[in-house]
Amino acid sequence: EVQLVESGGGLIQPGGSLRLSCAASGFIVSSNYINWVRQAPGKGPEWVSVIYSDGSSKYADSVKGRFTISRDSSKNMVYLQMNSLRAEDTAMYYCARQVAAAGIMYWGQGTLVAVSS
Amino acid sequence: DIQMTQSPSTLSASVGDRVTITCRASQSISNWLAWYQQKPGKAPKFLIYKASALETSVPLRFSGSGSGTEFTLTISSLQPDDFATYYCQQYNSYPYTFGQGTKLEIK
Repeated sequence: EVQLVESGGGLIQPGGSLRLSCAASGFIVSSNYINWVRQAPGKGPEWVSVIYSDGSSKYADSVKGRFTISRDSSKNMVYLQMNSLRAEDTAMYYCARQVAAAGIMYWGQGTLVAVSS
Repeated sequence: DIQMTQSPSTLSASVGDRVTITCRASQSISNWLAWYQQKPGKAPKFLIYKASALETSVPLRFSGSGSGTEFTLTISSLQPDDFATYYCQQYNSYPYTFGQGTKLEIK
């Protein structure tokens, strides 16, 4: 069974840093495209970043230069390092697995990030 | 970036009704479109991919259609469990983008 479990969220002051973790089971992260998608309170989802099976990555313009996606194949985990956090980064952050031509099929339960002084 | 526009934003309907939600892309995305259902406090649930392919375990009352820039999600006979917010999402190119959502409410 495919499972994604996020952790690492919390309350952080503007300008601070957080690292989100995504523990995957039921599949191998290094053979898949893994995305981070966030959803601000009362808003629709917003794609944030993806790490491809070859290890390359892409970012939304809103986080480029501040966020870094990575993975640890030995632990079957994906991470999102978030630096220089802003109030507008406040959201539920979901880790999500993309499946070939089907798009983003599997989602974790999310971890909440709140940026506030 | 490809903009996705859903209509209506809110839809009031009754159990047993047939409802249709429309999603328009700002440029052609072929059929690289997915639909999700989301309930409060939960992650989006994957319903449909490639515009019209139903994910396994999704009830057959759900259907999707369209290609290019115009797409629809239809629920043929609303059930109590279907009242939720629905999002379309294009995965033709990054950045993947979502519609603003359609909230399906009980009339």
